[in-house]
Amino acid sequence: AQRVTQPEKLLSVFKGAPVELKCNYSYSGSPELFWYVQYSRQRLQLLLRHISRESIKGFTADLNKGETSFHLKKPFAQEEDSAMYYCALSGTGGGNKLTFGTGTQLKVEL
Amino acid sequence: EAEVAQSPRYKITEKSQAVAFWCDPISGHATLYWYRQILGQGPELLVQFQDESVVDDSQLPKDRFSAERLKGVDSTLKIQPAELGDSAMYLCASSRGAVNTEAFFGQGTRLTVV
Repeated sequence: AQRVTQPEKLLSVFKGAPVELKCNYSYSGSPELFWYVQYSRQRLQLLLRHISRESIKGFTADLNKGETSFHLKKPFAQEEDSAMYYCALSGTGGGNKLTFGTGTQLKVEL
Repeated sequence: EAEVAQSPRYKITEKSQAVAFWCDPISGHATLYWYRQILGQGPELLVQFQDESVVDDSQLPKDRFSAERLKGVDSTLKIQPAELGDSAMYLCASSRGAVNTEAFFGQGTRLTVV
């Protein structure tokens, strides 16, 4: 069975502070990991995926297979980063089926 | 910019009544998904279509839920009869293919069963 765990429901940081949103997964094969974001009153959208190895809006995430983690990081939080962040996993042969974590609400305070 | 369209945005229905949701995916997207998101949780897949065929409905409560995508384009998700525990956000998503392609989500339909 595949499972995604996001231990923090809410993460509050000050503007300019570093951000780390935690994500751990459980999957027996080689998963594909994603971060989705939902800004206030907007639809869920893809932020980044591990195979792209990109930095999107200053965010990066590295897949650590040893620790089964895919934490999302940003060195300097901006007010516009305030949103709900979901970590998601797609298993090999899973046909793009996404298993989501419960989400972390990021609040960036001035 | 093409988007996944869903209707209605909000629906209030009484327990034991029937309710239906509609989704129009991005043009050209062969794969369509219905997710349910209960308050405080992440989305959970209910059913996945590849064109008009169901490829995964393992989490769909088939005694009361049904989904169809007759022409392989738009899709309808139905609940009959609705129960109080069905209150949730119902999200539709689509992707170009079934593997390694980004899924695009609609705004969702928020269902309240009273």
